[in-house]
Amino acid sequence: EPEVTQTPSHQVTQMGQEVILRCVPISNHLYFYWYRQILGQKVEFLVSFYNNEISEKSEIFDDQFSVERPDGSNFTLKIRSTKLEDSAMYFCASSYRPFAGLNNEQFFGPGTRLTVL
Amino acid sequence: DAKTTQPPSMDCAEGRAANLPCNHSTISGNEYVYWYRQIHSQGPQYIIHGLKNNETNEMASLIITEDRKSSTLILPHATLRDTAVYYCIVRGLMDSNYQLIWGAGTKLIIKP
Repeated sequence: EPEVTQTPSHQVTQMGQEVILRCVPISNHLYFYWYRQILGQKVEFLVSFYNNEISEKSEIFDDQFSVERPDGSNFTLKIRSTKLEDSAMYFCASSYRPFAGLNNEQFFGPGTRLTVL
Repeated sequence: DAKTTQPPSMDCAEGRAANLPCNHSTISGNEYVYWYRQIHSQGPQYIIHGLKNNETNEMASLIITEDRKSSTLILPHATLRDTAVYYCIVRGLMDSNYQLIWGAGTKLIIKP
């Protein structure tokens, strides 16, 4: 069964450093998402991406964050200058369609645990 | 904010049916009910969704009341691996939001 994969599984970085989190969405999916979950808290939406453009972003997704689909398979989240409060699990997801209805379930990867020291 | 309310936690005996309730009293006619779960430290997993008819797949059944103000997710024969946080999410067909809006969910503990 096709699945979303993410690398690395755990990333440790120093405050102020740049990190890139990588995701390979399901191959025929067209919509891509990043969510994060701070330990013990709710899952929070960061950004959605379609046709090489951001389609929606949350207040969390400020100028320190960027997303890119550098080739036909990878989808990346870059944090330019990490802060302590960026420590969280970051989940990538993909779907064939957006919104609600048929064939638009979002499938999630296993996550990358980001620890900022 | 999430448009749903769920009990914070539930227990169920292994092998029995787990029935997880969800209230969505403000749901509108074009909004679907989705269920996801998150096993500890893993990514959320899609389970099932429906509009107004009851739905069943290999994982679960979804029962939506006639007035659509509440629904129940049924895991017919719960196993220890079903221990997870279960999220009920309402999304509109014409929603301009691409995102899933997550509440606190129900922590389901399956006991041997």
